[in-house]
Amino acid sequence: EDKVVQSPLSLVVHEGDTVTLNCSYEVTNFRSLLWYKQEKKAPTFLFMLTSSGIEKKSGRLSSILDKKELFSILNITATQTGDSAVYLCAVGNNNDMRFGAGTRLTVKP
Amino acid sequence: DSGVTQTPKHLITATGQRVTLRCSPRSGDLSVYWYQQSLDQGLQFLIQYYNGEERAKGNILERFSAQQFPDLHSELNLSSLELGDSALYFCASSPTGPLSQTQYFGPGTRLLVL
Repeated sequence: EDKVVQSPLSLVVHEGDTVTLNCSYEVTNFRSLLWYKQEKKAPTFLFMLTSSGIEKKSGRLSSILDKKELFSILNITATQTGDSAVYLCAVGNNNDMRFGAGTRLTVKP
Repeated sequence: DSGVTQTPKHLITATGQRVTLRCSPRSGDLSVYWYQQSLDQGLQFLIQYYNGEERAKGNILERFSAQQFPDLHSELNLSSLELGDSALYFCASSPTGPLSQTQYFGPGTRLLVL
C-alpha cells in the first residue's frame, strides 16, 4: 500500500538553529513530491520536486529529493519563530495524492 | 490569501443530515480538489475534478459526492452524516489537469457533526 512517512513527528528548537525534516515514501508510479507549510489554517505550498538530486531553494528553506532511496528532506536554516508550523510532505501519482502525518516544528525565541 | 474561496467557514449539523460545501477556484484554474483533514487521519485526498469532469478519486466514501459546474466552482455533498465525518474540509485548485502538481488551498470548512 502507498504510504508517506514523516519524521520526526515533533521538533522543538531555538531561534537560529538549523533543522532537517524527513519524508520517506512508497508510492506506485511516482510523479512528484510536494512540501507544504500549515500554520493555523490552509496548507501553503513550499516546493515541488520531481527529479533526484536537484536542490530547490527559497530563502532559508531548501529541499532535495532522492528517488533511488525514496526520500526527501526539507532544511530550514537560521530558524525564526515564524517558522513554527506543521510541515506536510505529499507524494502524488496520476490517481492519488498521499500526505504524511506532518512534522510539528516549534521555534522558541 | 490563495485566491480559493470556500463557504461556509463553519457548519454544525446532526447525525444523519446532509450538507453541501462550496468552493470557488482561483481565477483561471481548471482543477479542483477536495481534501478531508481530521486529527486521527491527517490530510486525505478525496476527489479531483478537471474542467467539469471527474479526474481522480481518492479515499472518498460512497456517502460523499462532488461535482464541478460550468463556471468551475465545485460542491462537495456529504450525506447520512456520522460523528466521524467531523473534520476540516479543504478545497484546492490548480491550473491544469495532472493531480501531482502545485495546489492552492482554500481556508477550509470546519464541519462538526453532533
